[in-house]
Amino acid sequence: EAGVAQSPRYKIIEKRQSVAFWCNPISGHATLYWYQQILGQGPKLLIQFQNNGVVDDSQLPKDRFSAERLKGVDSTLKIQPAKLEDSAVYLCASSLPYRFSSTDTQYFGPGTRLTVL
Amino acid sequence: GENVEQHPSTLSVQEGDSAVIKCTYSDSASNYFPWYKQELGKGPQLIIDIRSNVGEKKDQRIAVTLNKTAKHFSLHITETQPEDSAVYFCAALTNTGNQFYFGTGTSLTVIP
Repeated sequence: EAGVAQSPRYKIIEKRQSVAFWCNPISGHATLYWYQQILGQGPKLLIQFQNNGVVDDSQLPKDRFSAERLKGVDSTLKIQPAKLEDSAVYLCASSLPYRFSSTDTQYFGPGTRLTVL
Repeated sequence: GENVEQHPSTLSVQEGDSAVIKCTYSDSASNYFPWYKQELGKGPQLIIDIRSNVGEKKDQRIAVTLNKTAKHFSLHITETQPEDSAVYFCAALTNTGNQFYFGTGTSLTVIP
């Protein structure tokens, strides 16, 4: 089966500019996650969707970050305006709900490496 | 919230030796513990997982053990090979917030 797709793979912007990332989860996966992975650290959850509804966005810096999943499939994550500390890899992951799959396995995309200058 | 600690941060072993990575968690409600392998430029890939109703799980050269009382779980890789070199992350899933918490990662180097 096709994996989680993300684009772009790399992005370099200057601080205060805007940027958007796109994610296409595995077909049929209702749950979608966006993670921020700073160099040398583990992934940190930014937002979790169940279909097109937000399950958890408690760690999303809402003054500058936004995310949507309008039709319950693809998702976009936006940063506006970007700061230097936003430099990181942004990972998208998807999974089936536990009650349907007996596992909570998350499948990760390759990530988008963002550099803010 | 949950707090997952992972040790060591770096690990070098000779090819053929075993490698052990340990994680501790704080939330007794956590009930699912996956391990991920992340190669350079790629997203994390699940290699093995364990649920809280099981104490040990093995898949060929990889095994995971869980001690619920002590709140720690470990990844064991036997007969290591150079292709095992990567960064390994543990994670814990709480059944309260349905959120994954990741450890800080272990960079494993297998020396040929």
